[in-house]
Amino acid sequence: SQQGEEDPQALSIQEGENATMNCSYKTSINNLQWYRQNSGRGLVHLILIRSNEREKHSGRLRVTLDTSKKSSSLLITASRAADTASYFCATASRAGGTSYGKLTFGQGTILTVHP
Amino acid sequence: EPEVTQTPSHQVTQMGQEVILRCVPISNHLYFYWYRQILGQKVEFLVSFYNNEISEKSEIFDDQFSVERPDGSNFTLKIRSTKLEDSAMYFCASSSRQGSYNSPLHFGNGTRLTVT
Repeated sequence: SQQGEEDPQALSIQEGENATMNCSYKTSINNLQWYRQNSGRGLVHLILIRSNEREKHSGRLRVTLDTSKKSSSLLITASRAADTASYFCATASRAGGTSYGKLTFGQGTILTVHP
Repeated sequence: EPEVTQTPSHQVTQMGQEVILRCVPISNHLYFYWYRQILGQKVEFLVSFYNNEISEKSEIFDDQFSVERPDGSNFTLKIRSTKLEDSAMYFCASSSRQGSYNSPLHFGNGTRLTVT
């Protein structure tokens, strides 16, 4: 798989349920970020987790990072219909002298929350 | 809340024509980026820009592409001679620090470029 691969590609749940999305990557990273994209709109930053962190919370979001497995997960608890969007992980790496601003995005997970 | 604005939202052009995509980054940000997303594909990095010069560019960003910050508020992406494969959504982004631990990227809503 390529850097920043999410699974599942699509997730359909009922309002109130939890949604878990996973991301795997290949190279060493400095941080991993999750973004959300509503249809036809820009990317909105959700949460950033540094390589030396294992878990981070923000409201209903919980992100974990396992650098030994090169994987991350995004958990959205008590989902709402308004959470319907595409969710992307993106990695920032200084490998090869690349800048932090160069993010490598995954393919994304399309989340549909049914009311 | 401050936001990155992009114009136009949709641009249709003929193959071989020049296009300029415009962006107004968040006013106190120092780092600027262009990304693109071809329909159904991943968001891809094109270029980063700091202190009036390119700090990094991807393989996609060839001689047909250029960026400029002409007046201290706008940040533009120019494609000199568009190709069909340039059709994509182009996103501008900015950050206060170079995508650092504490500074995520703020993206605009994108310009959908259609080359016919």
